[in-house]
Amino acid sequence: NAGVTQTPKFQVLKTGQSMTLQCAQDMNHEYMSWYRQDPGMGLRLIHYSVGAGITDQGEVPNGYNVSRSTTEDFPLRLLSAAPSQTSVYFCASSYLASDYGYTFGSGTRLTVV
Amino acid sequence: GENVEQHPSTLSVQEGDSAVIKCTYSDSASNYFPWYKQELGKGPQLIIDIRSNVGEKKDQRIAVTLNKTAKHFSLHITETQPEDSAVYFCANRNNDMRFGAGTRLTVKP
Repeated sequence: NAGVTQTPKFQVLKTGQSMTLQCAQDMNHEYMSWYRQDPGMGLRLIHYSVGAGITDQGEVPNGYNVSRSTTEDFPLRLLSAAPSQTSVYFCASSYLASDYGYTFGSGTRLTVV
Repeated sequence: GENVEQHPSTLSVQEGDSAVIKCTYSDSASNYFPWYKQELGKGPQLIIDIRSNVGEKKDQRIAVTLNKTAKHFSLHITETQPEDSAVYFCANRNNDMRFGAGTRLTVKP
């Protein structure tokens, strides 16, 4: 099925550990982005990409790195996890056209202890 | 950045009643206004959208209205059902997408 695939669905990390959240889409979308969702905070943009080799920071980029080596994949890296990064993470993709909606993945629930 | 304000934050209605969620935005260059439904444990899903050259759009029990002059748009759900219970997000897009904070809708049977 076409869509956005996120792995893993759940993850528990210890403070200071690193990990990569995976995101892949098969719709040939140029635009990909990462959001975090915290209770009462809505969706906050972490990083985004408008195409392979191009990434930029969103609203809350600190503590996260991204890269975009292919159109399909947009991994999110936590270099040294902190309890403040406990959240649900969503990857989204879209065509670049400004009148097109986002397709979201099913999310990764991350707990940092 | 440009903000999207969404009201109310919570909404409880009886099954069969209507529900209305309202959003205001500040980016006058926005030309796309989607609404997303997020069920528990899932990612947001697009349920309806409207473009800036249209004032109203309807899809079965769901409708969206847009007033570009006043910079506000609304989601209307008629004949609500328990399965409509979810968190709803409005958004607007110029280049990137800006989301409202969400409305938790509860439909009581």
